[in-house]
Amino acid sequence: NAGVMQNPRHLVRRRGQEARLRCSPMKGHSHVYWYRQLPEEGLKFMVYLQKENIIDESGMPKERFSAEFPKEGPSILRIQQVVRGDSAAYFCASSQTGPTGARSNEQFFGPGTRLTVL
Amino acid sequence: DAKTTQPNSMESNEEEPVHLPCNHSTISGTDYIHWYRQLPSQGPEYVIHGLTSNVNNRMASLAIAEDRKSSTLILHRATLRDAAVYYCILRDVVGDSNYQLIWGAGTKLIIKP
Repeated sequence: NAGVMQNPRHLVRRRGQEARLRCSPMKGHSHVYWYRQLPEEGLKFMVYLQKENIIDESGMPKERFSAEFPKEGPSILRIQQVVRGDSAAYFCASSQTGPTGARSNEQFFGPGTRLTVL
Repeated sequence: DAKTTQPNSMESNEEEPVHLPCNHSTISGTDYIHWYRQLPSQGPEYVIHGLTSNVNNRMASLAIAEDRKSSTLILHRATLRDAAVYYCILRDVVGDSNYQLIWGAGTKLIIKP
């Protein structure tokens, strides 16, 4: 049973380029979350998606950042016109259920994509 | 959101028990206490969670104070592979945004051989 997969693991971009980060959730999981982590800090929530729907994007910058989770294929986090401040580790997590009350709704994390903007 | 307070770092000797504390004095009645850990250069990994009673699983034990204002993650016999940053997170299971895990800086656990 493969875990959450993310690619690429490392991505280097020059300022102004676009970065595309991909996330394949665990089999049977239809809920995907993206987080960003700066060095020596905890993760910060960015966006929560279900298949073909963005449920909550309150943690995602309104400019340059977008996310999608199409009916077929992986979830994509897209960063346009990257700047040096976008350099960070981006983690994707998936869960089998959404917010359903008392259930644990454990989130399983991928290995992350480390984005470096030159 | 309720917040947690953890020591920045802790050291322990290999094969000894480790007690990682977490304070959450503003915890609400519907907040679950979750622990995740993050090994170097890896994604976070779920460790354990609980509400009121102490919990045990194959990885660790979670001891929750009677007033729920603090909890302790217990690694019974730490190995070098347990060296990681441990995060204590509160999750309100009835809130509209209960999927948002709110992460602090965590405790960096250093295991000495």
